[in-house]
Amino acid sequence: EIVLTQSPATLSLSPGERATLSCRASQSVRSYLAWYQQKPGQAPRLLIYDASNRATGIPARFSGSGSGTDFTLTISSLESEDFAVYYCQQRSNWPLTFGGGTKVEIK
Amino acid sequence: EVQLLESGGGLVQPGGSLRLSCAASGFTFNDYAMTWVRQAPGKGLEWVSTISTSDVITYYADSVKGRFTISRDNSKNTLYLQMNSLRADDTAVYYCAKHYSSSTSVFDYWGQGTLVTVSS
Repeated sequence: EIVLTQSPATLSLSPGERATLSCRASQSVRSYLAWYQQKPGQAPRLLIYDASNRATGIPARFSGSGSGTDFTLTISSLESEDFAVYYCQQRSNWPLTFGGGTKVEIK
Repeated sequence: EVQLLESGGGLVQPGGSLRLSCAASGFTFNDYAMTWVRQAPGKGLEWVSTISTSDVITYYADSVKGRFTISRDNSKNTLYLQMNSLRADDTAVYYCAKHYSSSTSVFDYWGQGTLVTVSS
């Protein structure tokens, strides 16, 4: 099973700041990594698939990069609606796995 | 508009059974693989099971293998999860999710979730 480790667990930032979230895989997942956003009481929302492709309707301030074992989700300038928990997910191997999440909170 | 509506959750005793349903609309259901993902209270996301478009191929997490069965009825646009021998650690919100494309196991639409509580 591929283990995805997200860091940091919590990121405290102010609106307008840049957020950089990390996801590291225990073995290569090639570019088969996705990012989701989840707000309290809501279902997750797909942001990025295959490392760097924005899903439909996702603002350009969200970007993804990386390949192999190291991936980054960047939010260029945080909006109030971006404070949430973010998960990475790999589809390279079964079983599909998610990272433990990074909470982006208001500083 | 794509909609996924789960039902069937509730309180069940350890060792009991439940069947979850996910009614899909707004897309051609039989063109997409479907998946169940769960989230224990206050915890992260856990993939549970995936089924191919034609019900031929299924995948399960080790934690549910042999106890849960995923199925679909393409004539009814409905996904199911039969859960047997339930344990306390199966307590979670269960989401059904649509695959982004026929060849991509990422999920672009999710239901609102249904809560399963396993407790005596």
